[in-house]
Order: sequence, then C-alpha cells, then structure tokens
Amino acid sequence: SQQGEEDPQALSIQEGENATMNCSYKTSINNLQWYRQNSGRGLVHLILIRSNEREKHSGRLRVTLDTSKKSSSLLITASRAADTASYFCATDKRAGTALIFGKGTTLSVSS
Amino acid sequence: ETGVTQTPRHLVMGMTNKKSLKCEQHLGHNAMYWYKQSAKKPLELMFVYNFKEQTENNSVPSRFSPECPNSSHLFLHLHTLQPEDSALYLCASSQEASGGSYNEQFFGPGTRLTVL
Repeated sequence: SQQGEEDPQALSIQEGENATMNCSYKTSINNLQWYRQNSGRGLVHLILIRSNEREKHSGRLRVTLDTSKKSSSLLITASRAADTASYFCATDKRAGTALIFGKGTTLSVSS
Repeated sequence: ETGVTQTPRHLVMGMTNKKSLKCEQHLGHNAMYWYKQSAKKPLELMFVYNFKEQTENNSVPSRFSPECPNSSHLFLHLHTLQPEDSALYLCASSQEASGGSYNEQFFGPGTRLTVL
C-alpha cells in the first residue's frame, strides 16, 4: 500500500523562484528519501534524511522532516529550467523492508 | 550514468511471446530491485533480492518471473503478458546491511515495455 503521498501533484513556476513540495506518510519510518525523475528515465537519488534528523541541505536543496506530523518538505531554491522533473518521496515502513514511493510531484520550471 | 544498466531500452511484444529484461549493476551492491511504473500510478515494487535471496515479492502475477544469478545481475522473465502490463520497468540496486534501513537506491534508465 502507498506510504508517502506528495503534494501538490503538479507545480509550475518561473526560473529563479523557489519550489516547495510536501510529502506525508502514515506509519513511523526509519528514513525518508527524495528522488527525481526526468521524463521516461530512471530515478536519481537526491537526499536521505533519517528519522532523528530535522533538516538537511544539499546544494540548492533543503529537506525538512517533522515526525510528529509525519511529513517532509523538499525546497528547491533559485529554480532552473533543468529542475523540470517529477519528484518522489520514499519511505520504509520498518527496518529491513524495501522503500515505498509516492505518486510524485511534477515540477515545471519555465524560463 | 548511475552504474546500473538495463537492456533492452524498448520492447514490444505480443501476449503469447516470451522475453526477458536484463539489469546489471557495476557498483558492487548487494541488493537489487524490480519496479513497475505505470502512468498516473505510484512506483510499484515488484521484487527485492538481498544477498541474492529473494526477500520480497509484492503479489506479482506469476507471468513475471525474476532471476538473480549473482549479485551483479538481475533478470525479469516475461511470458503471456497482458496489455495492462505495458509500463516502464525499472531496476535499482543498493548496498544494504542485514536488517538495517534501506539506503539510497541507484536506478537504471528503465525498459519501456509495450504489450500488444
């Protein structure tokens, strides 16, 4: 069954603006991961945040995790046209089980 | 490139055909995965191989048959598929500790399968 659910389903912004995507999940997790997928291609890992962490940064990416609300957000700052892609969160229900992916947020950045 | 290759990249087959998808990882990982991605649906985990042992099979129909001959190679054998099986099939690998949380996965480019 689906664990993570991203919101919004689609997001359109202009280059230079920030993009924020949210992920909510239902059960406790060990870690939460964000992936990116360009149209029709494989997924690329962006960032992993563990359940005992609250915030992580990687370049223009900032991920937060609120385990009390069972939610995470992915912020892309100063977006570029090349950031156009689908973004997925993935969680594991418990240690030793495989990841479950959400439906994703489709981000479109226009120049 | 992610270090995970998949062949073929595109496959068209009839419902009575038998074909196989191949995945190879060059990362020295010990876990490999098959996922199915259909339009407007979440990525669906099909099979997990951890240390060459199948550890998860998410109620996948028997017309899909996985094979993991060694830690670098993973196959998905297909037979008597249905049109609704048309999708992007993605392979991934990761390095896992026994019983630990799953780490980042490296994905191949996928095989676009069309069943006529």
